[in-house]
Amino acid sequence: DVKVTQSSRYLVKRTGEKVFLECVQDMDHENMFWYRQDPGLGLRLIYFSYDVKMKEKGDIPEGYSVSREKKERFSLILESASTNQTSMYLCASSSATPHEQFFGPGTRLTVL
Amino acid sequence: SQKIEQNSEALNIQEGKTATLTCNYTNYSPAYLQWYRQDPGRGPVFLLLIRENEKEKRKERLKVTFDTTLKQSLFHITASQPADSATYLCALDIRDTDKLIFGTGTRLQVFP
Repeated sequence: DVKVTQSSRYLVKRTGEKVFLECVQDMDHENMFWYRQDPGLGLRLIYFSYDVKMKEKGDIPEGYSVSREKKERFSLILESASTNQTSMYLCASSSATPHEQFFGPGTRLTVL
Repeated sequence: SQKIEQNSEALNIQEGKTATLTCNYTNYSPAYLQWYRQDPGRGPVFLLLIRENEKEKRKERLKVTFDTTLKQSLFHITASQPADSATYLCALDIRDTDKLIFGTGTRLQVFP
């Protein structure tokens, strides 16, 4: 059974802390994505990666960075967490074609 | 700008009836369109993909239509069951990339 796993289901951090969210997929997919999901706004793409060490900004990259050192692992970093980054964070992966995305269970991050 | 619209109001239907959800888009010509199911607190799960040259696709009780002239997709669940209650998201590919644009989803509630 194919799987995308995320390091935490729930996370509580304080303003200004550095936060690492990790995502691992076991499907040998080229593409990996980080989204955040907020009520009424849907899924918004933060960053994605189409290969190891490659990354591209999505629609809302400000305040975030990413790292992809290995094909199966894609990390999202909040350099200095702020309260407006409280959200559900979802990681996904896909092959190059036909692009259906497989999602992890999500991390509910609360920044106090 | 590219825009995807799904009915933000919840759809309530009786068990056994056919549920029909709508996805409209503007300013874009996708090569294909996807539908996902999302349960509360969980990541979306891929259901179906339909290509621009396909008018209709079926999978068990699910049927998707794709009208590129109207810029609309309809998602049908026949013989609906309470277990079908969830939020359903449509997503369009962005040509020449591996990215998707997601709609905000429609919540379906099937009551006995």
